[in-house]
Amino acid sequence: DIVMTQSPDSLAVSLGERATINCKSSQTVLYSSNSQNYLAWYQQKPGQPPKLLIYWASTRESGVPDRFSGSGSGTDFTLTISSLQAEDVAVYYCQQYYTTPMYTFGQGTKLEI
Amino acid sequence: QLQLQESGPGLVKASETLSLTCTVSGDSLTSTNYYWAWIRQPPGRGLQWVGIISYSGRAYYNASLKSRVTISLDTSKTHFSLRLSSVTVADTAVYYCARDPLAGQFDYWGQGTLVTVSS
Repeated sequence: DIVMTQSPDSLAVSLGERATINCKSSQTVLYSSNSQNYLAWYQQKPGQPPKLLIYWASTRESGVPDRFSGSGSGTDFTLTISSLQAEDVAVYYCQQYYTTPMYTFGQGTKLEI
Repeated sequence: QLQLQESGPGLVKASETLSLTCTVSGDSLTSTNYYWAWIRQPPGRGLQWVGIISYSGRAYYNASLKSRVTISLDTSKTHFSLRLSSVTVADTAVYYCARDPLAGQFDYWGQGTLVTVSS
């Protein structure tokens, strides 16, 4: 199984500042034949299901604000929130789908103000 | 607008079988564009993929649960189901159903249903 490890487990960022969450996979999730990274990011607010933010490591889902961006390749990935808003307080998860249709998630990163 | 809704008992006794249904509205379970998944989340913890089923009914399961889990598709009634046998308290979780647009990410989720396993 591919193990996904996020860092940090939690972080506090001031409003308007940049937030950075890291995700590392135990093996590459870059598929060489199409040069795609099989990596997604989700946001989960209390009492709600996860919401897809980013897929293919850097493609924003429709309707996701452009302050959210994803980067990285191979085994190391980053979710960046360029200017933190109050509504961004949530737990964020990365997920690999390189081994589709079998998947694994990171343990989550709690983002606070 | 696609909607997914989980339903089933909120309390199950240890050693018994957990059974949940996900009703899908606004889309067809037989569409060749999607797979349909179950994902669970123990209280206060992270997400665990349970399994997934294709439009043709082929299912794939988390290896750690494979001997106990069955996912099935009822296309005539636009729902798919989860059965988890021989449950223990460790199976207590919010269970979500979700859609995979054949790319591997999950773009639509149900609201989730909490299942508590009592000892």
